[in-house]
Amino acid sequence: EDKVVQSPLSLVVHEGDTVTLNCSYEVTNFRSLLWYKQEKKAPTFLFMLTSSGIEKKSGRLSSILDKKELFSILNITATQTGDSAVYLCAVQGNTPLVFGKGTRLSVIA
Amino acid sequence: NAGVTQTPKFRILKIGQSMTLQCTQDMNHNYMYWYRQDPGMGLKLIYYSVGAGITDKGEVPNGYNVSRSTTEDFPLRLELAAPSQTSVYFCASKKGPTHSPLHFGNGTRLTVT
Repeated sequence: EDKVVQSPLSLVVHEGDTVTLNCSYEVTNFRSLLWYKQEKKAPTFLFMLTSSGIEKKSGRLSSILDKKELFSILNITATQTGDSAVYLCAVQGNTPLVFGKGTRLSVIA
Repeated sequence: NAGVTQTPKFRILKIGQSMTLQCTQDMNHNYMYWYRQDPGMGLKLIYYSVGAGITDKGEVPNGYNVSRSTTEDFPLRLELAAPSQTSVYFCASKKGPTHSPLHFGNGTRLTVT
């Protein structure tokens, strides 16, 4: 059974801090790992990772995949209150996307 | 661009009632999905479809039914609603089987009392 485990489940930081969110997985025939940000409504797509060691970057957010150790991290530098959200990790294998429970990030001023 | 549109946004049902959650997409995506999200539990797959006329069960299909008569529409039917079906329901679509992200609708918040 495909499985995705995210840690920590929740995190409170101050504006300007750097945070690292973790995602480990077990999946049959790995194809891709995706990160989503969810505020009040629908999840919005952040990154798709398919190859080990290649960093994806968008502004203050970056992510990298380690296919040997079966995990990914999502880094957010210089956090802002607008980064407060639930961050979801999902993996695609032979079955449709399997999601982790998410990490709830709260950034306080 | 409308993307994925879900209706209604909110609904309260009594135990034993039935309803259909509507989902339509205008991106000509073949792959469509229904997820439910309970507090602190991530997203769990209910049903999915890889094209018109083809549907398959996900992780939590009991108490639900779907149909896919057109590429655009993927309605989710709840028969005999139960309190355990209180949740937020998300419909999503994507272009191809791999290496393409899911596009989500804004969700339907359903309460069964």
